[in-house]
Amino acid sequence: QQKVQQSPESLIVPEGGMASLNCTFSDRNSQYFWWYRQHSGEGPKALMSIFSNGDKKEGRFTAHLNKASLYVSLHIKDSQPSDSALYFCAGNTDKVVFGTGTRLQVSP
Amino acid sequence: ETAVFQTPNYHVTQVGNEVSFNCKQTLGHDTMYWYKQDSKKLLKIMFSYNNKQLIVNETVPRRFSPQSSDKAHLNLRIKSVEPEDSAVYLCASSRDWGAQDTQYFGPGTRLLVL
Repeated sequence: QQKVQQSPESLIVPEGGMASLNCTFSDRNSQYFWWYRQHSGEGPKALMSIFSNGDKKEGRFTAHLNKASLYVSLHIKDSQPSDSALYFCAGNTDKVVFGTGTRLQVSP
Repeated sequence: ETAVFQTPNYHVTQVGNEVSFNCKQTLGHDTMYWYKQDSKKLLKIMFSYNNKQLIVNETVPRRFSPQSSDKAHLNLRIKSVEPEDSAVYLCASSRDWGAQDTQYFGPGTRLLVL
């Protein structure tokens, strides 16, 4: 069964700073990956998907994928207080498996 | 913009009671899911339906049963709730059962079992 480990568990960054979130997968058959964000009291919302090795940038968010290393990361540039949330990575083999989550707090 | 709707938002009940949660999606998707999010915020898939057909049924207690009347609706019934059922239940949908399909979540139903 796919295991998805995220680090760190929690992270505090100053407003305007860079937040870096990491994710490792156990199943080499994983091909498709996502980052989801969940604000308190809401359901998770997909931030971005990444299916090819390398970097993918969308605004302040950059995802990086290395399938050989089973590693995905998310970098948030110029972090804002509204970025404070729980972040999940997710990968798909025969079904989607979500990571353990990283709680990000952006301090004003 | 919400396109996956869940009711109720919150439900408090006693051990042994039966509860039902409703989910509707207006995205025209073929696949719907139920997840359980526990107190540690871990997301665990419970059931997946594709075009009203059950395709994934994870190891969950028999007291949990999904019900789908059409591909836009997927309800969850829990017979005889237990204290460990206290959690947030999240409904989601995706365009299809394909590996590349992003999931869209509802706001969740928070269940508290006393």
